Amino acid sequence: GESVGLHLPTLSVQEGDNSIINCAYSNSASDYFIWYKQESGKGPQFIIDIRSNMDKRQGQRVTVLLNKTVKHLSLQIAATQPGDSAVYFCARGSQGNLIFGKGTKLSVKP
Amino acid sequence: EAQVTQNPRYLITVTGKKLTVTCSQNMNHEYMSWYRQDPGLGLRQIYYSMNVEVTDKGDVPEGYKVSRKEKRNFPLILESPSPNQTSLYFCASNRGLLGTDTQYFGPGTRLTVL
Repeated sequence: GESVGLHLPTLSVQEGDNSIINCAYSNSASDYFIWYKQESGKGPQFIIDIRSNMDKRQGQRVTVLLNKTVKHLSLQIAATQPGDSAVYFCARGSQGNLIFGKGTKLSVKP
Repeated sequence: EAQVTQNPRYLITVTGKKLTVTCSQNMNHEYMSWYRQDPGLGLRQIYYSMNVEVTDKGDVPEGYKVSRKEKRNFPLILESPSPNQTSLYFCASNRGLLGTDTQYFGPGTRLTVL
């Protein structure tokens, strides 16, 4: 069956370093992929999305890379800050249907 | 202020007692959706709506109903709640299709079914 998974459940980085959060997926029938951030006690927050016909997309301090050959998605956060500490989810979607990964907890050490 | 609101934020109920969780957005978004979040299972989509009177099942629709009679509202209905529907529920909206624009989430509704 289709699934969206994560390589690492937790990630700890030093403040100022770059963070890379990875996500693997098993189904190729996706129109887009989305990354979300969820802080403790809050709802998910949209970070960035990427269409399946793209390889890379950049936002403010974030870059998403999509490798369709190996079915791998990554979120890169530049100059990680304490405010980036949260759980990060990837999701894949087609039309309006969305399937989420389990999440990676990012901890930023001062 | 652009936002998605949900009510109630917390609810404790008993098995079989019908309930409705409301969701409203003030951004004139076409797309709305409901998710549940459970420890170890993550977020799962329940239902989504691409526009008024258009609804589709997500990953876990069993035991839930929705309606989209007007663009701003997308209530989630549990006709006969059961304890396995105890969860944290989120509503969200998008201006257009997912993958084309920012998705906005509501603050969540924590539901306990005894």
